[in-house]
Amino acid sequence: ETGVTQSPTHLIKTRGQQVTLRCSSQSGHNTVSWYQQALGQGPQFIFQYYREEENGRGNFPPRFSGLQFPNYSSELNVNALELDDSALYLCASSLSGRGRNEQFFGPGTRLTVL
Amino acid sequence: GENVEQHPSTLSVQEGDSAVIKCTYSDSASNYFPWYKQELGKGPQLIIDIRSNVGEKKDQRIAVTLNKTAKHFSLHITETQPEDSAVYFCAANERAGNQFYFGTGTSLTVIP
Repeated sequence: ETGVTQSPTHLIKTRGQQVTLRCSSQSGHNTVSWYQQALGQGPQFIFQYYREEENGRGNFPPRFSGLQFPNYSSELNVNALELDDSALYLCASSLSGRGRNEQFFGPGTRLTVL
Repeated sequence: GENVEQHPSTLSVQEGDSAVIKCTYSDSASNYFPWYKQELGKGPQLIIDIRSNVGEKKDQRIAVTLNKTAKHFSLHITETQPEDSAVYFCAANERAGNQFYFGTGTSLTVIP
């Protein structure tokens, strides 16, 4: 069974640029959730994708957007980067339906905005 | 929305002692409570979880208790080992497929 993978591991961007982060879900999972984890904080929910559609969104502006592909992998796109976007971005995969709640996290992408 | 509070923020214990981390939640509709362990430079790892129809769950040295009336749940680690040193997060979830609400984390240090 393959776990959740994310790429790249680290990324440095400058303010105003755009970034795309990638996530491959765990084998057999059909749902991907994205979280932002600032230093010393718990993960904050950005949004979730199920069946290639957004299925819930946290308190993040529209410049945070995403995609899910037919193979259940996902992308997180952030436009017009701000200094406060510097954080660890986590992807979590799960199997929706059948009352299953468990989410399994990838190692994250560390984004630094200068 | 849900609000999860976690205490303490830091915890140091001697190897072999027990460690207890406590969380409270605000939304009585929450029914799933996982605990995650996060080591430096890694993503959170699910270590144990409990659903609202159960009061206690144990897995070797780790146990979780849930008090639905008081809206709090706790993580208990017995016979702590240096490799238990990490940041631990609690979370609450209202329904399958919905977002998780995380606590602010507890940095546990086990002193050899």
